[in-house]
Amino acid sequence: SAVISQKPSRDICQRGTSLTIQCQVDSQVTMMFWYRQQPGQSLTLIATANQGSEATYESGFVIDKFPISRPNLTFSTLTVSNMSPEDSSIYLCSVRPLGGQKAFFGQGTRLTVV
Amino acid sequence: LAKTTQPISMDSYEGQEVNITCSHNNIATNDYITWYQQFPSQGPRFIIQGYKTKVTNEVASLFIPADRKSSTLSLPRVSLSDTAVYYCLVGDIGGATNKLIFGTGTLLAVQP
Repeated sequence: SAVISQKPSRDICQRGTSLTIQCQVDSQVTMMFWYRQQPGQSLTLIATANQGSEATYESGFVIDKFPISRPNLTFSTLTVSNMSPEDSSIYLCSVRPLGGQKAFFGQGTRLTVV
Repeated sequence: LAKTTQPISMDSYEGQEVNITCSHNNIATNDYITWYQQFPSQGPRFIIQGYKTKVTNEVASLFIPADRKSSTLSLPRVSLSDTAVYYCLVGDIGGATNKLIFGTGTLLAVQP
């Protein structure tokens, strides 16, 4: 199993500013995943964060808007840049050991942009 | 990654058995079927996974027919605390990308 801690749990931010979300895992994992969940919607994968290489972004998401760092095997950050109200969502961090049966998710960061 | 289709919502009463069906017509040979549960303000939680026939654990059962083009998550004797969104995912758990793609999910509402 894996225990994931996300910070902050929630924040209210002004438009045009940036917020960095931290994800800490209690074990070493090769890949970490960042999702966005808009109100009442399913989870949408933003990117896959690999340690030691550039993150891989899904269609519709770009590095300039959602820069990701992955400095080691237990930590990652996602920055939401130049925020607008449309970025108001829950952002979730996830890990899944390679070949493992289960994925594990953090509690999420609830972001409100005003 | 195979696309999945499941009902948007279902209603049930406490003590009933609930069956949620998921369609995945384009499932590949190496794909497994996995179900996750999500409560409000929490991240999804793994429930059960299977490849074929029937899998049962302490939480649920998963029924997969021979053609594997659909699957049914069965929750025995639901309680109010089972009210959540249930996601059906299909993919190769040993695949290089290892990523999970979520569909729309089924909102199960359990009433007293």
